[in-house]
Amino acid sequence: QVQLQESGPGLVKPSQTLSLTCTVSGGSISSGSYYWSWIRQPAGKGLEWIGRIYTSGSTNYNPSLKSRVTISVDTSKNQFSLKLSSVTAADTAVYYCASGVAGSFDYWGQGTLVTVSS
Amino acid sequence: DIQMTQSPSSLSASVGDRVTITCQASQDISNYLNWYQQKPGKAPKLLIYDASNLETGVPSRFSGSGSGTDFTFTISSLQPEDIATYYCQQYDNLPQYTFGQGTKLEIK
Repeated sequence: QVQLQESGPGLVKPSQTLSLTCTVSGGSISSGSYYWSWIRQPAGKGLEWIGRIYTSGSTNYNPSLKSRVTISVDTSKNQFSLKLSSVTAADTAVYYCASGVAGSFDYWGQGTLVTVSS
Repeated sequence: DIQMTQSPSSLSASVGDRVTITCQASQDISNYLNWYQQKPGKAPKLLIYDASNLETGVPSRFSGSGSGTDFTFTISSLQPEDIATYYCQQYDNLPQYTFGQGTKLEIK
């Protein structure tokens, strides 16, 4: 059973870069046909897909965030990461890492709250 | 962009009631539609994939139907543990994914 765990700073200053890592356990990030995604959820609001990476390193991003997002993978550590630059208060949210084959998100991390504030 | 519109946004029902949530896509998405359950403070959980297929381990009181632009999620007999927010999610135009705005289900 694949398990995902997010980690990273819970507080980021405006205009800085948010950086989060998702550690995968119970399976290799390099095996199978899984895509590895980041999804966020502002307090009391719905879910927004941020982007995904395949084990080959190919990435896809939400067009609304594309200019500020970078997702990378470190197969040696069984991790993938999110960087979101030039953050504002609007980026305050619970950030989830998730994985699935093609269209669904089968596995989710527990989520980590990131607050953007000075 | 494909927009997903869920209704209602909130719903109050009694234990044992049949509950129905609808999700409408702004364009034809075939059956590329999933349903998730999110309990407070928890990550979403996949319940239904490809519009009507029950994820392994999910109780049979949950079901989904529909294709094209109109989809329905049903709980045949509401249980107290079903209190959650439910989201639909389309994946017709991969690699873009879109979620509905959610339906908050409460016990009457």
